Amino acid sequence: QVQLKESGPGLVQPSQTLSLTCTVSGFSLTSNSVHWVRQPPGKGLEWMGGIWGDGSTDYNSALKSRLSISRDTSKSQVFLKMNSLQTDDTAIYFCTRHYYDGTWHWFAYWGQGTLVTVSS
Amino acid sequence: DVVLTQTPPTLSATIGQSVSISCRSSQSLLDSDGDTYLNWLLQRPGQSPQLLIYSVSNLESGVPNRFSGSGSETDFTLKISGVEAEDLGVYYCMQATHAYTFGAGTKLELK
Repeated sequence: QVQLKESGPGLVQPSQTLSLTCTVSGFSLTSNSVHWVRQPPGKGLEWMGGIWGDGSTDYNSALKSRLSISRDTSKSQVFLKMNSLQTDDTAIYFCTRHYYDGTWHWFAYWGQGTLVTVSS
Repeated sequence: DVVLTQTPPTLSATIGQSVSISCRSSQSLLDSDGDTYLNWLLQRPGQSPQLLIYSVSNLESGVPNRFSGSGSETDFTLKISGVEAEDLGVYYCMQATHAYTFGAGTKLELK
């Protein structure tokens, strides 16, 4: 059974660095990708970036300078780090994965999301 | 970056009514591999998004067949044939041909 679960601090101060963890089960990180998507309160979805089974990464060009995604395959965890946080980074942060069965099922599985508030 | 424009932003429907949502892309979503990676997701209130349709018209496993998708290149439509109460929420189109972007969403509410 595929599961993803986000964890991290609920509150981050402006200018600080956000660190989130996505702990997965039911699949291997070495053969599947995991991506991060965020959603400001009451607003739409924004793809942030992802890490592929081979360890390569892709980032949203608007966030690339502040964002880093990594993983620990032995712990089945994917990490997001984003620096220089501002109040407009307040959002629910989701991790998600797709799967391939001859065709791509993009973002077929989602975690429950974790709310991060940027405030002093 | 690819921009997806969804209309209408809000849709009011009665139970049993059929409705459609449009999604237009600023670029063709036909990939070099021949597939078109336009997907539809539903986010019910307080929940994570759920994949409904992938590659324009394919129903994800477990999704009722009252949902259907159509379109090509830059113009796409999601149709719900007979809205049920559990269909209420925000619908997003999403493209995966040129990185990943989402439309702004269409909120389906009860009339």
